[in-house]
Amino acid sequence: EAGVVQSPRYKIIEKKQPVAFWCNPISGHNTLYWYLQNLGQGPELLIRYENEEAVDDSQLPKDRFSAERLKGVDSTLKIQPAELGDSAVYLCASSSDRGNSPLHFGNGTRLTVT
Amino acid sequence: AQSVAQPEDQVNVAEGNPLTVKCTYSVSGNPYLFWYVQYPNRGLQFLLKYITGDNLVKGSYGFEAEFNKSQTSFHLKKPSALVSDSALYFCAGSHRNQGGKLIFGQGTELSVKP
Repeated sequence: EAGVVQSPRYKIIEKKQPVAFWCNPISGHNTLYWYLQNLGQGPELLIRYENEEAVDDSQLPKDRFSAERLKGVDSTLKIQPAELGDSAVYLCASSSDRGNSPLHFGNGTRLTVT
Repeated sequence: AQSVAQPEDQVNVAEGNPLTVKCTYSVSGNPYLFWYVQYPNRGLQFLLKYITGDNLVKGSYGFEAEFNKSQTSFHLKKPSALVSDSALYFCAGSHRNQGGKLIFGQGTELSVKP
């Protein structure tokens, strides 16, 4: 089966500019996650979707971050405006349910804000 | 607050020797526990999980992990390390009522030398 696809792989932007990341989960996976991974640290959950509904966005900085999952398939994560501290890897993952099924991760988007 | 800790930033092992990567958790109740591996510039790959039952869990690539409730540990082990096992390893856990909301440790860099 095809894995989780993320684009772009790398993005360099100047601070205060907007940026968007795209994710296509594994076909049939209803649960989609966006994680933030800072250098040398473990991933931290930003938002979790069940189909098209955001069921956990408590750690999403809503003043500048937004996400959507229209039609319950692919998803977009946006930052506007970007800040220097947003430089990190943004990982998308999907799973077949929200229980104990393992997460399948994409290769991530490495964002550098200058 | 729930947490997962990996007390070692780095583990060095000679090829052919057994390896252990340590993980302790602070998750209420009976948690779901996972191990993931991350290669450079790639997303995380699932290795194994503990849900219930036998405390010794076997996973991919010859890895196994032992769930120890009294010590709140879930150490990753392999009887004979390979150079290709060199990577970044993450332990993760979730509360059973919050399936899918994984809390990750900070990661352990495993280096296997020939």
